[in-house]
Amino acid sequence: GAVVSQHPSWVICKSGTSVKIECRSLDFQATTMFWYRQFPKQSLMLMATSNEGSKATYEQGVEKDKFLINHASLTLSTLTVTSAHPEDSSFYICSAIKTGGSYEQYFGPGTRLTVT
Amino acid sequence: QKEVEQNSGPLSVPEGAIASLNCTYSDRVSQSFFWYRQYSGKSPELIMSIYSNGDKEDGRFTAQLNKASQYVSLLIRDSQPSDSATYLCAVNGLWAGGYNKLIFGAGTRLAVHP
Repeated sequence: GAVVSQHPSWVICKSGTSVKIECRSLDFQATTMFWYRQFPKQSLMLMATSNEGSKATYEQGVEKDKFLINHASLTLSTLTVTSAHPEDSSFYICSAIKTGGSYEQYFGPGTRLTVT
Repeated sequence: QKEVEQNSGPLSVPEGAIASLNCTYSDRVSQSFFWYRQYSGKSPELIMSIYSNGDKEDGRFTAQLNKASQYVSLLIRDSQPSDSATYLCAVNGLWAGGYNKLIFGAGTRLAVHP
């Protein structure tokens, strides 16, 4: 199997606070994980590529100081949304590639963030 | 031109029919192609991957790849109402920026009616 979990599944926070989202590969090791954001009725937008033990690679237009990514182990990557604002409200989804595997990405269930 | 293009739909088919979903991509050196299914409010689920020209069948699903035409498709036979979802085409390749990443199309919404 290839199971990816995310925690929390949903979170409501106040404007100006920070929120951390965890992404775990449960039954495989993942050197590379990805973070996506999806607004209603839109497609997935890649935010950043997270590599274990190194700095994340951010897509153009994504603020690295606002969206902090830490990939500290082969099974865990975290995304911290700092100083969240209502426009950050979205569906955040992580995915992972099996270490030594193909390019197939396995997605977590997603985290719905609402900033009030 | 968008990197990965799909018709947004909705594509409406009767139960039991064949649903045909199409996708074109812009990067000639792309090597890996995927179809994901996404139900409303849920994350994408991988249903097919294809790496070489031709057809690949898995149950009711058949993926077709034509690299010369930069075209990939997904056929769903004996469509069921439970197949109603958005289908995302994804292409992996060496895009601008110099590293591999998966680019998603906007998705095609499929509606299978009884």
